[in-house]
Amino acid sequence: DGGITQSPKYLFRKEGQNVTLSCEQNLNHDAMYWYRQDPGQGLRLIYYSQIVNDFQKGDIAEGYSVSREKKESFPLTVTSAQKNPTAFYLCASADSASPTDTQYFGPGTRLTVL
Amino acid sequence: GESVGLHLPTLSVQEGDNSIINCAYSNSASDYFIWYKQESGKGPQFIIDIRSNMDKRQGQRVTVLLNKTVKHLSLQIAATQPGDSAVYFCAESYLGFQKLVFGTGTRLLVSP
Repeated sequence: DGGITQSPKYLFRKEGQNVTLSCEQNLNHDAMYWYRQDPGQGLRLIYYSQIVNDFQKGDIAEGYSVSREKKESFPLTVTSAQKNPTAFYLCASADSASPTDTQYFGPGTRLTVL
Repeated sequence: GESVGLHLPTLSVQEGDNSIINCAYSNSASDYFIWYKQESGKGPQFIIDIRSNMDKRQGQRVTVLLNKTVKHLSLQIAATQPGDSAVYFCAESYLGFQKLVFGTGTRLLVSP
């Protein structure tokens, strides 16, 4: 069963806490992405990784951090520096970082700050 | 800067009708466009894509039209079904730009 998994589906965090969102893919894709989605808005790119041990900031990287130690895993940490972290977080992967390589999305994690 | 927008935030149709979802883009350098479907609480799902050297591309029940003159993209869904109810996003990019720029989305509501 191939695909992208994200966990947990729902996550609650107290203000001031860091939290890590999991993203795993078994599609053997080189590129992985993290997006944030707010109600009524399009997807905004947080970070992306073209290859293992490499990643670049997207449009809204402040308050977030990532790592890419394994090809299949691209965890996202939402730090206490992120001023408005409540959102729906989507992970995607693609064969490569070329925009013409279709990005396949996971089911998402809904983060709520209490 | 790049931007992708949609003309209609919500489109309501009857089952069996044809649906047309529109998208305007501002970057004349964009040469690749893609449509995604997102059901409530789920991740986006690829529908169809088109490159700028094409005006039209057809898939199963879907057709994407590209008008580069007026920088307009549309998604046509034939014989719309209740299962087509979702938010539809267009996105754009161009060769050498390693990101997709997403529009805000159009919600399609299909009544039985």
